[in-house]
Amino acid sequence: AQKVTQAQTEISVVEKEDVTLDCVYETRDTTYYLFWYKQPPSGELVFLIRRNSFDEQNEISGRYSWNFQKSTSSFNFTITASQVVDSAVYFCALSEAWGNQFYFGTGTSLTVIP
Amino acid sequence: GAVVSQHPSRVICKSGTSVKIECRSLDFQATTMFWYRQFPKQSLMLMATSNEGSKATYEQGVEKDKFLINHASLTLSTLTVTSAHPEDSSFYICSARLRRDRGHYEQYFGPGTRLTVT
Repeated sequence: AQKVTQAQTEISVVEKEDVTLDCVYETRDTTYYLFWYKQPPSGELVFLIRRNSFDEQNEISGRYSWNFQKSTSSFNFTITASQVVDSAVYFCALSEAWGNQFYFGTGTSLTVIP
Repeated sequence: GAVVSQHPSRVICKSGTSVKIECRSLDFQATTMFWYRQFPKQSLMLMATSNEGSKATYEQGVEKDKFLINHASLTLSTLTVTSAHPEDSSFYICSARLRRDRGHYEQYFGPGTRLTVT
């Protein structure tokens, strides 16, 4: 069965601090996709990244970076030099195949304090 | 490209009435759409998979007679909450699956509909 665990329910950091959001997943499939979404108070999901199971390269996009480690079934998300606008709920998700049902983690609520 | 819209974005209705939520793929055809529900401070849970021209597939615990899904065209799926009650108040999000070349699929989420039942 597929499962995504985000152990951190809420995190508060002071602006400009770095913060890492953890994501651990379970799946028996050899081909799968991992995602991170940001959900601001408006509710709309904002796509951040997609990673397929065959690509373990870490990725950096501006202040965002992702660390994918199949050995530990983790796909962690780091925000460098956090800003108040980063305050939101962040969801990690797993899809058996890109375009099929998504399995979402419980989300991590990030608050960046000015 | 690949935009999914939902209408309405917010709706308030009285207990006992029915509410219809539309999910549209604006610039692509989607044979499959998904409906998710999100209660406050909780995760998104899949309610049902909507397939164009056939009956929807509901997840365990979701009442199909209460949450009617119609996917009558390749760009529109509707979710009707029948005889709504306050416990149905939630954020409903749809997603649409887009088929790319070589059988590769992508999925795009709508902006969500916030339903409040008074």
